[in-house]
Amino acid sequence: AQSVSQHNHHVILSEAASLELGCNYSYGGTVNLFWYVQYPGQHLQLLLKYFSGDPLVKGIKGFEAEFIKSKFSFNLRKPSVQWSDTAEYFCAVNKGSTLGRLYFGRGTQLTVWP
Amino acid sequence: NAGVMQNPRHLVRRRGQEARLRCSPMKGHSHVYWYRQLPEEGLKFMVYLQKENIIDESGMPKERFSAEFPKEGPSILRIQQVVRGDSAAYFCASSPDSVEDEQYFGPGTRLTVT
Repeated sequence: AQSVSQHNHHVILSEAASLELGCNYSYGGTVNLFWYVQYPGQHLQLLLKYFSGDPLVKGIKGFEAEFIKSKFSFNLRKPSVQWSDTAEYFCAVNKGSTLGRLYFGRGTQLTVWP
Repeated sequence: NAGVMQNPRHLVRRRGQEARLRCSPMKGHSHVYWYRQLPEEGLKFMVYLQKENIIDESGMPKERFSAEFPKEGPSILRIQQVVRGDSAAYFCASSPDSVEDEQYFGPGTRLTVT
């Protein structure tokens, strides 16, 4: 079945460590790609998005993601995490053929120890 | 500009009762989406509405679930004769006119069926 896969369900890092969260999707054709974050007790917020153009996308709070079309991947990265980055991270895909519908991965819980 | 509002934040219903979940989109947004998050799973699309129209309800269970977005007032997700399996977090999102725009999420309604 077509899907969005986030391979790591729980990642634990120390402050200043580098972060990479994987996201792969299995849809062909035109896609729009998103990373959302949900901080404890808060609602989902957009970190960054890719629609077209430069495949390296920069988002808020020092996050970036790279779209690699040949690998169907959109991995999220941050060079140096902070304790405040502790949150759940969701990758989402919008297929051009299905209007606004977003397909979500099951999420990665990131815990950063101070 | 207030964000997407959802109420109630928590709802407890006994089996067989009805649940009504409300979503007020951001000002100026005419597209509303409902998603459901079951425990240990990512968000799953349920329905996409514009004012007075259901655009895509392919993610809605065929029975007991309905949604509306009237000309005036909030969008309503209605679940009749709730069962324990309906226990989940229900998220509403809204976006401006274009389907390619970012979706802004509400805080969610956590439904518990006892």
